[in-house]
Amino acid sequence: KQEVTQIPAALSVPEGENLVLNCSFTDSAIYNLQWFRQDPGKGLTSLLLIQSSQREQTSGRLNASLDKSSGRSTLYIAASQPGDSATYLCAVQTTGGSYIPTFGRGTSLIVHP
Amino acid sequence: GAGVSQSPSNKVTEKGKDVELRCDPISGHTALYWYRQSLGQGLEFLIYFQGNSAPDKSGLPSDRFSAERTGGSVSTLTIQRTQQEDSAVYLCASSFGATQETQYFGPGTRLLVL
Repeated sequence: KQEVTQIPAALSVPEGENLVLNCSFTDSAIYNLQWFRQDPGKGLTSLLLIQSSQREQTSGRLNASLDKSSGRSTLYIAASQPGDSATYLCAVQTTGGSYIPTFGRGTSLIVHP
Repeated sequence: GAGVSQSPSNKVTEKGKDVELRCDPISGHTALYWYRQSLGQGLEFLIYFQGNSAPDKSGLPSDRFSAERTGGSVSTLTIQRTQQEDSAVYLCASSFGATQETQYFGPGTRLLVL
């Protein structure tokens, strides 16, 4: 059974710092890994989708990497801003018949001015 | 609309009543997922629809929960005889295909059972 762990659970940093959020998964047989952002009281917004054949994806100040063999992904946020404050979740779709994504518990990020 | 929509946005009900939650996926998306998110908890998978295939109901917590998807589009999640522990945010997501595709989430329905 796939298990997804996100470390740290919470993070508070001053504005301007570069951040790394970690996601690890136990079964490396995956279709893809997706990073989401969730603002309080809102649904999830997709940030980046990395296919199993890819090593990384970039969007603006965000860069996500995938090391499938070691079961790890990192989300790098450059020059953090207060508007980046949210909970960040990663999810993996595992091969083997089920298309149901497995989600981590998320990292709650606060960027203070 | 361009995104996934859900209604109602908030629902307060009394214990023992039935509730229906609605999800309108993005047009053309064949995959539709329901999740539940309780306060301080992660996303709990409930049910998955893919095209005309039989739904994957493996995540439904009890037989009080059911869902249907009519015409491969709109989906309704029904909770019968609601209990206080059913209080949560119910999220719907859709994607163009089953794999290799981005999931798009709706804003959720916040259910409170008194």
